[in-house]
Amino acid sequence: DQQVKQNSPSLSVQEGRISILNCDYTNSMFDYFLWYKKYPAEGPTFLISISSIKDKNEDGRFTVFLNKSAKHLSLHIVPSQPGDSAVYFCAVSDSGGGADGLTFGKGTHLIIQP
Amino acid sequence: DAGVIQSPRHEVTEMGQEVTLRCKPISGHDYLFWYRQTMMRGLELLIYFNNNVPIDDSGMPEDRFSAKMPNASFSTLKIQPSEPRDSAVYFCASSLTYTGNYGYTFGSGTRLTVV
Repeated sequence: DQQVKQNSPSLSVQEGRISILNCDYTNSMFDYFLWYKKYPAEGPTFLISISSIKDKNEDGRFTVFLNKSAKHLSLHIVPSQPGDSAVYFCAVSDSGGGADGLTFGKGTHLIIQP
Repeated sequence: DAGVIQSPRHEVTEMGQEVTLRCKPISGHDYLFWYRQTMMRGLELLIYFNNNVPIDDSGMPEDRFSAKMPNASFSTLKIQPSEPRDSAVYFCASSLTYTGNYGYTFGSGTRLTVV
């Protein structure tokens, strides 16, 4: 039973446009939400996070939105650049210890078209 | 800091052989995690350590898998005997905290192929 779902295995976006990656989770006890980026033959790298007390966190071109009532998380990248082409994983954490470390979605492969 | 260092980068072995994967976490990080990535299951947590002590190994798939952390700067994940279905990319990660709100730092992974 997947606790974190990324329903789009891949997403293609034109350079300069907005990329929107989505993630759904099942457990309302999760209180930290993160996005990781992974290039081929490398480990995932931390991109941005948000705690459950917020609904938006921005860092340069990256913004994460949290909708707790819908148990939905999204990552917006604007404008999209060729170097953003990678696999993006969302991850969730329960600081109360109810979950084991970070639980990851299966990832969305973002392809930025020139 | 050189980050989390994993070795080897690639390992090809025959079914039934013992495989040992190695990890050096970032100095000062109290938590170390072993994850496995497959196409079917994505990134799954196998085991994690806090201050060198194994805390939760419920993700370890079978008794064939074992992990140790003899000191703060070294951990191993061993598979004995290995099977083709163990083929995957194995990642080690370290962190200051358990909850991940600061993010985990991952190594580059070990791609294991069991033939």
